[in-house]
Amino acid sequence: DSGVTQTPKHLITATGQRVTLRCSPRSGDLSVYWYQQSLDQGLQFLIQYYNGEERAKGNILERFSAQQFPDLHSELNLSSLELGDSALYFCASSVGTTSGEQYFGPGTRLTVT
Amino acid sequence: AQKVTQAQTEISVVEKEDVTLDCVYETRDTTYYLFWYKQPPSGELVFLIRRNSFDEQNEISGRYSWNFQKSTSSFNFTITASQVVDSAVYFCALSEGINTGTASKLTFGTGTRLQVTL
Repeated sequence: DSGVTQTPKHLITATGQRVTLRCSPRSGDLSVYWYQQSLDQGLQFLIQYYNGEERAKGNILERFSAQQFPDLHSELNLSSLELGDSALYFCASSVGTTSGEQYFGPGTRLTVT
Repeated sequence: AQKVTQAQTEISVVEKEDVTLDCVYETRDTTYYLFWYKQPPSGELVFLIRRNSFDEQNEISGRYSWNFQKSTSSFNFTITASQVVDSAVYFCALSEGINTGTASKLTFGTGTRLQVTL
């Protein structure tokens, strides 16, 4: 158990809908990262937050957004969902911004039908 | 741009065999971290090791060992006396921007699926 929690574990929704994925980092970690794992794109970095502020953006679509709250949990919002958004979404956390060691949550499997 | 290549898509071995998973990386940074993660069939990503670019010493942890060679930009992972429980997908990853304090996002390779059979 990495100490990072993600909910829900599975999510099935229809195209055009909007969903919110939630992540709680390990106790003491200030950075939260979101990654997407799909068959065709592999594991890709989406976005990073550090202590409530956005620090870096990767290949995140404009339909996707995230935030980190004062209690350090984070939410990833996915809107206008398309079939191609079906993937495993991971949250990871680390102590600092450049500490390197990122511990991953169990992931949320999103299926868009 | 940073890039991680894991040329071996899938490896099958019989239990107790040794197996080496290859990882080659590209980066312009002089300071970076390299990682290995394990993804068992249950799906979670398990952290195995982090190696700083300044530290080229090989590391051993039980049946696991890692060989970091800066000259060839490789960070290979060896499992000695493999076991069925080692069956998983293994990912190599790279993190840049350490000195500049920029984002420490991980760039992953495509993974190597290891199948260990009896």
